[in-house]
Amino acid sequence: AQSVTQPDIHITVSEGASLELRCNYSYGATPYLFWYVQSPGQGLQLLLKYFSGDTLVQGIKGFEAEFKRSQSSFNLRKPSVHWSDAAEYFCAVWRSSNTGKLIFGQGTTLQVKP
Amino acid sequence: GAGVSQTPSNKVTEKGKYVELRCDPISGHTALYWYRQSLGQGPEFLIYFQGTGAADDSGLPNDRFFAVRPEGSVSTLKIQRTERGDSAVYLCASSLVAGAGYEQYFGPGTRLTVT
Repeated sequence: AQSVTQPDIHITVSEGASLELRCNYSYGATPYLFWYVQSPGQGLQLLLKYFSGDTLVQGIKGFEAEFKRSQSSFNLRKPSVHWSDAAEYFCAVWRSSNTGKLIFGQGTTLQVKP
Repeated sequence: GAGVSQTPSNKVTEKGKYVELRCDPISGHTALYWYRQSLGQGPEFLIYFQGTGAADDSGLPNDRFFAVRPEGSVSTLKIQRTERGDSAVYLCASSLVAGAGYEQYFGPGTRLTVT
């Protein structure tokens, strides 16, 4: 069965430090990949997505992610974290054969230390 | 412009009761999705509509759950004979049409607590 794994449940980084959140998927072909952010009391917001082409994708709020087929990974990165980045981050996958269904990982909670 | 809205924001009900959760999608969006998010988990797909019809209801956990979208806009998720295990945040999303190239815009969710 198709799945998305986010190995880190909780991550704490200092403000200004770099960030990498891990995401691994299991699917035979190249899926469509997404990163969402969920702040307390807010709806899920799309940060970036990968469909094909350049494996390094840029998103909003200074985030980027790199698709690595050999590692079945789609890790999210940010060079310098701001306190406002504290939130929960979800990786998701969408198979081309399913026109409606997003499959989410269990999420990574990011805490930012001042 | 207005985003996806969900009402109520919080709902507390007793075990065995019936509840309805409402979703107002972004105007003009033909696809509408329901997800359920349990504590500490990612959202889990329940059902999605393309227009008025349910295109995929494979995520509904059992026949106590039902959703409608009679006019292709507002949708209602209905849960009969609620159980404590139904406690979760129910998320609604909409997109212009169904398909991976079309961003799903999420509402703030309805937090359902079954006592």
